[in-house]
Amino acid sequence: KQEVTQIPAALSVPEGENLVLNCSFTDSAIYNLQWFRQDPGKGLTSLLLIQSSQREQTSGRLNASLDKSSGRSTLYIAASQPGDSATYLCAVDASGGSYIPTFGRGTSLIVHP
Amino acid sequence: ETGVTQSPTHLIKTRGQQVTLRCSSQSGHNTVSWYQQALGQGPQFIFQYYREEENGRGNFPPRFSGLQFPNYSSELNVNALELDDSALYLCASSLAGGGGETQYFGPGTRLLVL
Repeated sequence: KQEVTQIPAALSVPEGENLVLNCSFTDSAIYNLQWFRQDPGKGLTSLLLIQSSQREQTSGRLNASLDKSSGRSTLYIAASQPGDSATYLCAVDASGGSYIPTFGRGTSLIVHP
Repeated sequence: ETGVTQSPTHLIKTRGQQVTLRCSSQSGHNTVSWYQQALGQGPQFIFQYYREEENGRGNFPPRFSGLQFPNYSSELNVNALELDDSALYLCASSLAGGGGETQYFGPGTRLLVL
């Protein structure tokens, strides 16, 4: 059974810092990994989707890497801003043919001015 | 282009009752997935529908059931509600259902079972 762990569970940093959020998964036979952002009480917004054949994806100040063999992914946030405050979730899909993700519990990020 | 919408936004039910939650997919999307997110947890996959057929199911009992309509809107039905069913229910739509595509999430319905 796939298990996804995210470390740290919570993070509070001053504005401007570069951040690394970690995600690990137990079964490396995945098809893709996706990072999401969730604001309190709201739905999820997809940030980056990495296919199993890819090593990384970048969007603006965000960079996500994937090391499938070691079961790890990192989300790097450059020059953090207060608007980045949210919960960040990673999800892995091992289903193939459908999209049936297993989510981690998330990292709750607060960026203070 | 309209986004994914869900109704109602909040709902209070009592144990043993039945509930129907609704989701309207993003325009042009033919796949919808439903998730349950308990407080402080990540979302858990309930099931997925692709062109009105169930296309995958998570570890949820049969009292959780769904429908997808020809216009790709969807319903999640939960019978015999239990206290542990209290959660945020999310739907997400996508195109193609082939895996690996980006899902677009609605804002969720928060269900409280007393």
